[in-house]
Amino acid sequence: AQSVTQPDIHITVSEGASLELRCNYSYGATPYLFWYVQSPGQGLQLLLKYFSGDTLVQGIKGFEAEFKRSQSSFNLRKPSVHWSDAAEYFCAVVDFGNEKLTFGTGTRLTIIP
Amino acid sequence: GAVVSQHPSRVICKSGTSVKIECRSLDFQATTMFWYRQFPKQSLMLMATSNEGSKATYEQGVEKDKFLINHASLTLSTLTVTSAHPEDSSFYICSASPQQGGNYGYTFGSGTRLTVV
Repeated sequence: AQSVTQPDIHITVSEGASLELRCNYSYGATPYLFWYVQSPGQGLQLLLKYFSGDTLVQGIKGFEAEFKRSQSSFNLRKPSVHWSDAAEYFCAVVDFGNEKLTFGTGTRLTIIP
Repeated sequence: GAVVSQHPSRVICKSGTSVKIECRSLDFQATTMFWYRQFPKQSLMLMATSNEGSKATYEQGVEKDKFLINHASLTLSTLTVTSAHPEDSSFYICSASPQQGGNYGYTFGSGTRLTVV
């Protein structure tokens, strides 16, 4: 069965600083990977997804992620964070057979002035 | 873009009563809808998968008689929490996929905060 690990439960960065959120996956074949963001009390918004092709994926709100097969990773990055980026971030992988998403445990991002 | 409307956003009910949560795809037809439960500061746990016109498929450990799911049309799925108890208090989120197979264009509703008193 597929799984997703997000090693960092909580990250704090200063506004304007760069950000990297880690995600490691376990899947038998080439994975389809997603990053979602959730604001408090809200649903999930898709930031970006990787299906195939270029391993560097651009998303919304200035985020990007890089798929590294050799490291089974799909880390999310942003060069300069804004206070509005404070939220919970989830990495996910889809099971092709039943289209179910498996989520990581999430990383809570706090932005300090 | 694809929009999923979930209603109500918050509901408080008395223990022993039933609550219905609606999930509507507003601008696309959703062959498949998913229902998740999220505890505070935790990840999303898939409860069940519903396909239009057929019975829902429940994840292991989810009581199908307590969490009734109906996907009567391509734009509407409902989750009914029957005989609710305080331990059912949680954040419930639905998601919809616009077409079957290969798209993986999941759109999520804004969630429903259920409090059972």
